Amino acid sequence: QVQLQESGPGQVKASQTLSLTCSVSGGSVSSGGYCWNWIRQHPGKGLEWIGNIDYSGRTDYNPSLESRLAISVDTSKNQFSLRLSSVTAADTAVYFCARVIVATRDIDYWGQGTLVTVSS
Amino acid sequence: DIQMTQSPSSLSASVGDRVTITCRASQNINNYLNWYRQKPGKAPELLIYLASILQSGAPSRFSGSGSGTDFTLTISSLQPEDFATYYCQQSSSSVWTFGQGTKVEIE
Repeated sequence: QVQLQESGPGQVKASQTLSLTCSVSGGSVSSGGYCWNWIRQHPGKGLEWIGNIDYSGRTDYNPSLESRLAISVDTSKNQFSLRLSSVTAADTAVYFCARVIVATRDIDYWGQGTLVTVSS
Repeated sequence: DIQMTQSPSSLSASVGDRVTITCRASQNINNYLNWYRQKPGKAPELLIYLASILQSGAPSRFSGSGSGTDFTLTISSLQPEDFATYYCQQSSSSVWTFGQGTKVEIE
């Protein structure tokens, strides 16, 4: 059974960098056939795709966040990470990490989500 | 970006009812359409992928249909655990987008 778990600070000051890590168990980030995603949900709102990375390090980013965004993978730790710079209150959200099956392009496993609040 | 529009935004129904939710894409998405159910405080869970294929472990009361730009999720007999918010999501383009959600409430 694949499990994903987000970790990182629950509060970040405005203008600083939000950093989250997703630890994967029951599967390998090095496996071909999958890519590793970040998705967020503003309080009481819908879902927003942030971006993804595959086992080779190839990334796709949401253009609305691309200038502030970096997603990386650490195969030695079986983790992937999100860094979002210059945060504002608009970046306050629950952040989910998730696994996508490349062949069918669906999100089959999600982390539980972690709330990140941007404070002034 | 491809825009995804769901309707209705919310609905009220009773246990046992048949429920239909629609999702329209702003351009052809070649059946790369997924449906998720999200219960309060939880992560979404995959119900249907590639427009009509039931995810392993998802209840058989869920079905999906459609192609091109117009898609439907049907719940044949609503159960108590189905009172939740449902999202469609396209994965046709390199930038993935979700519908705004449909909240299914108890009538």
